[in-house]
Amino acid sequence: GAGVSQSPRYKVAKRGQDVALRCDPISGHVSLFWYQQALGQGPEFLTYFQNEAQLDKSGLPSDRFFAERPEGSVSTLKIQRTQQEDSAVYLCASSPGRSFYEQYFGPGTRLTVT
Amino acid sequence: SQQGEEDPQALSIQEGENATMNCSYKTSINNLQWYRQNSGRGLVHLILIRSNEREKHSGRLRVTLDTSKKSSSLLITASRAADTASYFCATDPSRGSTLGRLYFGRGTQLTVWP
Repeated sequence: GAGVSQSPRYKVAKRGQDVALRCDPISGHVSLFWYQQALGQGPEFLTYFQNEAQLDKSGLPSDRFFAERPEGSVSTLKIQRTQQEDSAVYLCASSPGRSFYEQYFGPGTRLTVT
Repeated sequence: SQQGEEDPQALSIQEGENATMNCSYKTSINNLQWYRQNSGRGLVHLILIRSNEREKHSGRLRVTLDTSKKSSSLLITASRAADTASYFCATDPSRGSTLGRLYFGRGTQLTVWP
Protein backbone atom coordinates (compact mmCIF):
# COMPACT_ATOMS: atom_id res chain seq x y z
CA GLY A 1 0.00 0.00 0.00
CA ALA A 2 0.96 3.65 -0.19
CA GLY A 3 3.33 4.96 2.42
CA VAL A 4 3.56 8.37 4.01
CA SER A 5 3.92 11.12 1.45
CA GLN A 6 5.09 14.68 1.92
CA SER A 7 5.00 17.69 -0.32
CA PRO A 8 6.80 19.60 -1.50
CA ARG A 9 10.01 17.55 -1.37
CA TYR A 10 12.09 20.71 -1.60
CA LYS A 11 11.23 24.26 -0.69
CA VAL A 12 13.35 27.38 -0.96
CA ALA A 13 11.99 30.39 0.86
CA LYS A 14 13.29 33.88 1.31
CA ARG A 15 13.66 34.97 4.89
CA GLY A 16 10.38 36.35 6.14
CA GLN A 17 8.17 34.27 3.85
CA ASP A 18 5.53 31.89 5.14
CA VAL A 19 5.66 28.22 4.13
CA ALA A 20 3.24 25.30 4.40
CA LEU A 21 4.40 21.71 4.41
CA ARG A 22 1.96 18.88 3.80
CA CYS A 23 1.89 15.33 5.12
CA ASP A 24 -0.37 12.52 3.91
CA PRO A 25 -0.14 9.70 6.46
CA ILE A 26 -0.93 6.07 5.87
CA SER A 27 -4.70 5.66 5.73
CA GLY A 28 -6.19 4.70 9.07
CA HIS A 29 -3.17 5.65 11.14
CA VAL A 30 -4.26 7.34 14.32
CA SER A 31 -0.98 8.92 15.33
CA LEU A 32 0.93 11.54 13.38
CA PHE A 33 4.26 13.06 14.37
CA TRP A 34 6.33 15.91 12.95
CA TYR A 35 10.10 15.99 13.40
CA GLN A 36 12.79 18.46 12.41
CA GLN A 37 16.16 17.13 11.29
CA ALA A 38 19.12 19.48 11.02
CA LEU A 39 22.10 18.50 8.89
CA GLY A 40 24.14 15.77 10.56
CA GLN A 41 21.71 15.37 13.43
CA GLY A 42 18.97 12.99 14.39
CA PRO A 43 15.31 13.98 14.10
CA GLU A 44 13.94 16.21 16.86
CA PHE A 45 10.30 15.98 17.87
CA LEU A 46 8.07 18.92 17.02
CA THR A 47 4.47 17.91 17.61
CA TYR A 48 2.06 14.98 17.88
CA PHE A 49 -1.55 14.40 16.81
CA GLN A 50 -3.90 11.65 17.81
CA ASN A 51 -6.57 11.80 15.13
CA GLU A 52 -7.41 15.51 14.89
CA ALA A 53 -6.30 16.38 18.41
CA GLN A 54 -2.89 17.96 18.87
CA LEU A 55 -1.84 16.35 22.12
CA ASP A 56 1.72 17.63 22.33
CA LYS A 57 3.25 20.68 20.70
CA SER A 58 6.05 21.15 23.17
CA GLY A 59 8.73 20.62 20.53
CA LEU A 60 7.69 23.52 18.32
CA PRO A 61 10.64 25.94 18.52
CA SER A 62 8.62 29.16 18.46
CA ASP A 63 5.15 30.56 17.97
CA ARG A 64 6.00 30.96 14.29
CA PHE A 65 5.42 27.23 13.95
CA PHE A 66 1.87 25.94 13.71
CA ALA A 67 0.51 22.51 12.83
CA GLU A 68 -2.96 21.22 12.17
CA ARG A 69 -4.75 18.01 11.25
CA PRO A 70 -8.36 19.14 10.99
CA GLU A 71 -9.96 15.89 9.78
CA GLY A 72 -7.63 13.46 11.41
CA SER A 73 -5.79 12.53 8.23
CA VAL A 74 -3.73 15.07 6.25
CA SER A 75 -1.59 17.38 8.33
CA THR A 76 0.00 20.72 7.53
CA LEU A 77 2.99 22.28 9.25
CA LYS A 78 3.11 26.03 8.75
CA ILE A 79 6.08 28.24 9.45
CA GLN A 80 5.51 31.96 9.47
CA ARG A 81 8.16 34.59 8.83
CA THR A 82 10.83 31.98 8.10
CA GLN A 83 14.32 32.47 9.48
CA GLN A 84 17.62 30.93 8.36
CA GLU A 85 17.70 28.71 11.42
CA ASP A 86 14.50 27.07 10.17
CA SER A 87 16.48 25.46 7.36
CA ALA A 88 16.21 21.71 7.92
CA VAL A 89 14.46 18.59 6.73
CA TYR A 90 10.95 18.28 8.12
CA LEU A 91 9.83 14.70 8.56
CA CYS A 92 6.35 13.42 9.08
CA ALA A 93 5.62 9.99 10.55
CA SER A 94 2.43 8.08 11.16
CA SER A 95 1.67 5.11 13.32
CA PRO A 96 -1.31 2.83 13.92
CA GLY A 97 -1.20 3.54 17.64
CA ARG A 98 0.40 5.72 20.21
CA SER A 99 3.24 3.69 21.64
CA PHE A 100 4.89 0.33 21.13
CA TYR A 101 4.41 0.77 17.40
CA GLU A 102 6.92 1.53 14.73
CA GLN A 103 6.60 4.90 13.06
CA TYR A 104 6.41 5.09 9.28
CA PHE A 105 8.29 8.08 7.96
CA GLY A 106 7.75 10.09 4.84
CA PRO A 107 10.65 11.21 2.62
CA GLY A 108 10.71 14.63 4.23
CA THR A 109 10.62 18.20 2.97
CA ARG A 110 13.98 19.92 2.74
CA LEU A 111 13.45 23.59 3.58
CA THR A 112 16.15 26.09 2.72
CA VAL A 113 15.71 29.66 3.89
CA THR A 114 17.89 32.18 2.07
CA SER B 1 18.44 15.18 27.54
CA GLN B 2 16.56 11.94 27.12
CA GLN B 3 17.89 11.14 23.70
CA GLY B 4 19.95 8.13 22.82
CA GLU B 5 23.53 8.51 21.75
CA GLU B 6 25.05 6.20 19.16
CA ASP B 7 28.61 5.04 19.10
CA PRO B 8 30.67 5.13 16.97
CA GLN B 9 29.73 8.23 14.98
CA ALA B 10 31.14 6.63 11.84
CA LEU B 11 32.02 3.06 10.89
CA SER B 12 33.71 1.84 7.73
CA ILE B 13 33.93 -1.87 6.90
CA GLN B 14 34.30 -4.28 3.99
CA GLU B 15 31.44 -6.28 2.53
CA GLY B 16 30.96 -9.52 4.41
CA GLU B 17 32.15 -8.14 7.72
CA ASN B 18 29.88 -7.60 10.69
CA ALA B 19 28.95 -4.11 11.87
CA THR B 20 28.15 -3.30 15.48
CA MET B 21 26.64 -0.02 16.62
CA ASN B 22 25.87 0.93 20.20
CA CYS B 23 23.31 3.20 21.76
CA SER B 24 23.17 4.61 25.27
CA TYR B 25 20.26 6.47 26.82
CA LYS B 26 19.44 8.15 30.11
CA THR B 27 15.90 7.41 31.25
CA SER B 28 13.70 4.35 31.68
CA ILE B 29 11.98 3.34 28.47
CA ASN B 30 8.92 1.56 27.11
CA ASN B 31 10.84 0.43 24.07
CA LEU B 32 13.83 1.20 21.90
CA GLN B 33 13.77 1.27 18.14
CA TRP B 34 16.42 1.28 15.43
CA TYR B 35 15.96 3.13 12.16
CA ARG B 36 18.00 3.39 8.97
CA GLN B 37 18.24 6.49 6.79
CA ASN B 38 19.72 6.46 3.33
CA SER B 39 21.13 9.74 2.10
CA GLY B 40 18.37 12.19 1.30
CA ARG B 41 15.61 9.79 2.26
CA GLY B 42 13.20 9.29 5.13
CA LEU B 43 13.79 6.89 7.97
CA VAL B 44 12.99 3.19 7.67
CA HIS B 45 12.08 1.22 10.76
CA LEU B 46 14.35 -1.78 11.36
CA ILE B 47 13.41 -3.29 14.69
CA LEU B 48 11.62 -2.51 17.96
CA ILE B 49 12.67 -4.08 21.25
CA ARG B 50 10.52 -3.73 24.34
CA SER B 51 11.91 -2.96 27.75
CA ASN B 52 11.22 -6.51 28.97
CA GLU B 53 13.09 -8.09 26.05
CA ARG B 54 16.82 -8.70 25.99
CA GLU B 55 17.48 -9.75 22.42
CA LYS B 56 15.68 -9.71 19.12
CA HIS B 57 16.52 -10.92 15.62
CA SER B 58 15.30 -9.90 12.20
CA GLY B 59 17.09 -11.39 9.22
CA ARG B 60 20.71 -10.24 9.38
CA LEU B 61 19.94 -7.88 12.27
CA ARG B 62 20.42 -8.64 15.93
CA VAL B 63 19.50 -6.16 18.63
CA THR B 64 20.27 -6.44 22.31
CA LEU B 65 18.96 -4.35 25.17
CA ASP B 66 20.45 -4.00 28.65
CA THR B 67 18.12 -1.84 30.71
CA SER B 68 20.43 -1.99 33.75
CA LYS B 69 23.15 -0.30 31.72
CA LYS B 70 20.68 1.73 29.64
CA SER B 71 22.29 0.56 26.46
CA SER B 72 21.47 -1.27 23.24
CA SER B 73 23.47 -2.65 20.36
CA LEU B 74 22.64 -3.31 16.72
CA LEU B 75 24.60 -5.99 14.91
CA ILE B 76 24.41 -6.34 11.14
CA THR B 77 25.94 -9.61 10.00
CA ALA B 78 27.49 -10.28 6.60
CA SER B 79 27.18 -6.63 5.59
CA ARG B 80 26.50 -5.54 2.02
CA ALA B 81 27.23 -2.33 0.17
CA ALA B 82 23.47 -1.65 0.25
CA ASP B 83 23.67 -1.43 4.05
CA THR B 84 25.52 1.86 3.69
CA ALA B 85 23.34 4.38 5.53
CA SER B 86 22.93 6.26 8.80
CA TYR B 87 21.55 4.22 11.68
CA PHE B 88 19.63 5.82 14.54
CA CYS B 89 18.41 4.50 17.82
CA ALA B 90 15.24 6.04 19.18
CA THR B 91 13.85 5.71 22.68
CA ASP B 92 10.25 5.87 23.83
CA PRO B 93 10.59 6.99 27.48
CA SER B 94 8.23 5.54 30.03
CA ARG B 95 8.02 8.68 32.15
CA GLY B 96 8.03 12.40 31.71
CA SER B 97 7.18 12.39 28.03
CA THR B 98 4.31 12.10 25.60
CA LEU B 99 3.59 8.43 25.02
CA GLY B 100 4.99 7.40 21.67
CA ARG B 101 7.24 10.45 21.26
CA LEU B 102 10.63 9.21 20.10
CA TYR B 103 13.99 10.64 21.07
CA PHE B 104 16.69 10.08 18.47
CA GLY B 105 20.45 10.12 18.75
CA ARG B 106 22.78 11.67 16.19
CA GLY B 107 23.25 8.37 14.40
CA THR B 108 26.09 6.17 13.20
CA GLN B 109 27.16 6.60 9.60
CA LEU B 110 27.95 3.13 8.27
CA THR B 111 29.91 2.74 5.04
CA VAL B 112 30.29 -0.73 3.55
CA TRP B 113 32.92 -1.01 0.82
CA PRO B 114 32.48 -3.57 -1.97
